[in-house]
Amino acid sequence: DIQMTQSPSSLSASVGDRVTITCQASQDISNYLNWYQQKPGKAPKLLIYDASNLETGVPSRFSGSGSGTDFTFTISSLQPEDIATYYCQQYDNLPPLFGPGTKVDIK
Amino acid sequence: QLQLQESGPGLVKPSETLSLTCTVSGGSISSSSYYWGWIRQPPGKGLEWIGSIYYSGSTYYNPSLKSRVTISVDTSKNQFSLKLSSVTAADTAVYYCARHELMTTVTYDYWGQGTLVTVSS
Repeated sequence: DIQMTQSPSSLSASVGDRVTITCQASQDISNYLNWYQQKPGKAPKLLIYDASNLETGVPSRFSGSGSGTDFTFTISSLQPEDIATYYCQQYDNLPPLFGPGTKVDIK
Repeated sequence: QLQLQESGPGLVKPSETLSLTCTVSGGSISSSSYYWGWIRQPPGKGLEWIGSIYYSGSTYYNPSLKSRVTISVDTSKNQFSLKLSSVTAADTAVYYCARHELMTTVTYDYWGQGTLVTVSS
């Protein structure tokens, strides 16, 4: 099975800061990678699909990039409502596997 | 607006079978473009895909759970269901139902709110 890692596992940043999360796959998954946001007690929400495409209705401060094995998720200017855990998810192979998550909070 | 809603017992005894249903509203489960899946999340942990089903009944299961999982669909009720047998405490989790496109594009765009199932005697 493909293994997914994310770093960091948690981070604390100030409002307005640029936040970057990385996701690494154990083998080439092309651009078959999604990013989700999960707020406490809520279901995950799709933010980015196919590594770099912004889901409809998602603020443009969220972005994604990468292909192959290395991917990056960026929040260009952290807002208080962005406090959440962020997960990457590959779908190149079954089972579709989620990364372990990155918890983001406000400093 | 498509909505998914999980329902079922919140408490299941060890060795018994967990049964949940997802009711889809605002759209047809018989759409040829989508699969319907189950994902779970143990308390404080990450997300695990359980399996997916097409309206025709075609299923895909996580190999790690395949021996214990059955997913079925009832198009007349616009529902799909999950059965997980021989449960243990390790199966305690929030269970989500969700929609995705074909099995080559497992991108979940709509999710239910989730339902906590606790396995305990």
